[in-house]
Amino acid sequence: SQQGEEDPQALSIQEGENATMNCSYKTSINNLQWYRQNSGRGLVHLILIRSNEREKHSGRLRVTLDTSKKSSSLLITASRAADTASYFCATDTGFQKLVFGTGTRLLVSP
Amino acid sequence: DAGVIQSPRHEVTEMGQEVTLRCKPISGHDYLFWYRQTMMRGLELLIYFNNNVPIDDSGMPEDRFSAKMPNASFSTLKIQPSEPRDSAVYFCASSFTLSAEAFFGQGTRLTVV
Repeated sequence: SQQGEEDPQALSIQEGENATMNCSYKTSINNLQWYRQNSGRGLVHLILIRSNEREKHSGRLRVTLDTSKKSSSLLITASRAADTASYFCATDTGFQKLVFGTGTRLLVSP
Repeated sequence: DAGVIQSPRHEVTEMGQEVTLRCKPISGHDYLFWYRQTMMRGLELLIYFNNNVPIDDSGMPEDRFSAKMPNASFSTLKIQPSEPRDSAVYFCASSFTLSAEAFFGQGTRLTVV
């Protein structure tokens, strides 16, 4: 079964709005990563947050991690049409694998 | 570096044929991963290598699948014989360490008819 499950599965917003995606996981982690995948392309790494960190920023991205709830969220502020993509979380559990979630499909309309 | 390079980008083959997917990782990366992506199953890790040695192939679906890494700059994923259910996008990725940022190739879209 998947270690990470993103929520919602799909999200549709207008340009300028904020987009929030959530990732829940099942076992303890060393770190959690977020990736973006544009249609027909490979995954691109966005941000990595370690288990001892609670929040991290990168440009318009803000990631939070709550290890007590085994969850993370990715916030994209002031979204743009170019942010349209699928977003995946990936967890490093220390068991020799980086496990990807099921993804959230984000559609940003102009 | 040009990033992870996969070839071909698209492959259409008939059931029963042998298919070989190729990958050139980023120079200096010690880890190479093969993933398969489908709508039904999402992104699945098939196998990964460390310093050209296969470490975990538990994700390889069956004996029809095999992967090799003869040197640090080249890896292949072979399916023989191919079946329609193998149709998917296959990604190769590489990284410095097992849990570091993974760099993905553009993928090979395989269609088996």
